Amino acid sequence: NAGVTQTPKFQVLKTGQSMTLQCAQDMNHNSMYWYRQDPGMGLRLIYYSASEGTTDKGEVPNGYNVSRLNKREFSLRLESAAPSQTSVYFCASSAQGAGNTIYFGEGSWLTVV
Amino acid sequence: RKEVEQDPGPFNVPEGATVAFNCTYSNSASQSFFWYRQDCRKEPKLLMSVYSSGNEDGRFTAQLNRASQYISLLIRDSKLSDSATYLCVVNGFNDMRFGAGTRLTVKP
Repeated sequence: NAGVTQTPKFQVLKTGQSMTLQCAQDMNHNSMYWYRQDPGMGLRLIYYSASEGTTDKGEVPNGYNVSRLNKREFSLRLESAAPSQTSVYFCASSAQGAGNTIYFGEGSWLTVV
Repeated sequence: RKEVEQDPGPFNVPEGATVAFNCTYSNSASQSFFWYRQDCRKEPKLLMSVYSSGNEDGRFTAQLNRASQYISLLIRDSKLSDSATYLCVVNGFNDMRFGAGTRLTVKP
């Protein structure tokens, strides 16, 4: 049972480069999320998608775009990477509705130099 | 003020000790509460939900105090394998808000 799969696991980018983080879940969940985790800051929500075809901004959306390609896939794009975007990125999914468990992917370690 | 606040620790305890973590939240309308566990360089995983009446899962006990807006996690008889970061999670309007985590190290 794969759960939530995200790629790549590690990436080094130069300032100004673009890249897309891919995420897929096989649990038939409606809701999907992208978080970033920085030391001392906890997990912060970048974007979420409550269902296929919808996306909404979270706490820290600036510098990112997302696409909910279908029910399974939710990608995160950095159009012009900045050093401040160096972080660990987690994709997650949950069944719709408050109080449902969030399942995370293994994380993507991104460094922008 | 952060929406969810935790003491970052670290808490260093010997095996067999009892340790407790608290977490405060600012949104009085929050409805759902959880504790997640995160091992070093791994993804967070659900440890347990927190119910209004308090709940227990083996050596772990979670409590909710709505009046004071905090939740707690008690770990009894600590094991080496309990060493991890414990994240307090509070359900916001449309998303979960995570605390920065409390780091626990259990030593032999």
